[in-house]
Amino acid sequence: DGGITQSPKYLFRKEGQNVTLSCEQNLNHDAMYWYRQDPGQGLRLIYYSQIVNDFQKGDIAEGYSVSREKKESFPLTVTSAQKNPTAFYLCASSIGSGGDGETQYFGPGTRLLVL
Amino acid sequence: AQKITQTQPGMFVQEKEAVTLDCTYDTSDQSYGLFWYKQPSSGEMIFLIYQGSYDEQNATEGRYSLNFQKARKSANLVISASQLGDSAMYFCAMRESTDKLIFGTGTRLQVFP
Repeated sequence: DGGITQSPKYLFRKEGQNVTLSCEQNLNHDAMYWYRQDPGQGLRLIYYSQIVNDFQKGDIAEGYSVSREKKESFPLTVTSAQKNPTAFYLCASSIGSGGDGETQYFGPGTRLLVL
Repeated sequence: AQKITQTQPGMFVQEKEAVTLDCTYDTSDQSYGLFWYKQPSSGEMIFLIYQGSYDEQNATEGRYSLNFQKARKSANLVISASQLGDSAMYFCAMRESTDKLIFGTGTRLQVFP
């Protein structure tokens, strides 16, 4: 089955701790994205990557970091600099950036809670 | 300025009836794409339907259709023959010349028997 997997489903962070959210896809998609969703809100873009070893900041990149060493994987690290990390995090991928019609497909999400 | 506006925080519809979820957008690009996603309580975003700015016909996917009125900058989702499983949050999104999807704040649809 092709799709996007995110782990863990729930993640707890202590103050001052960095945590990493996993996102893996086997759709052979070039582009991958990370979004944050707060209660009652739409999604906001954190980072995106159009190709391996390259990524760009989205609208709310502060306090987050990413890497794209493999086409299939796009992990997101929530650093201690992110003061309000409690949210639902969604990873998405698309065939390749460029053009309006490239649909983004989403993983099941990770819910991050601060202890 | 908000680029995607969904003015209906919540909607109710009876099973087997049709419902329209509103979405208006703002862009100066000539080329753009409009998407609708469904988010059930599990949290996953499920792609429903896409409309390109140059598409002359309204998009349809099964029970979903997109009422695209370019001059009014609206892209309303129509769900025909509602089912109990349609109860969820629905998000309208737009993709411009950049690679970003811009989302609205969503509409919560509840289908009752």
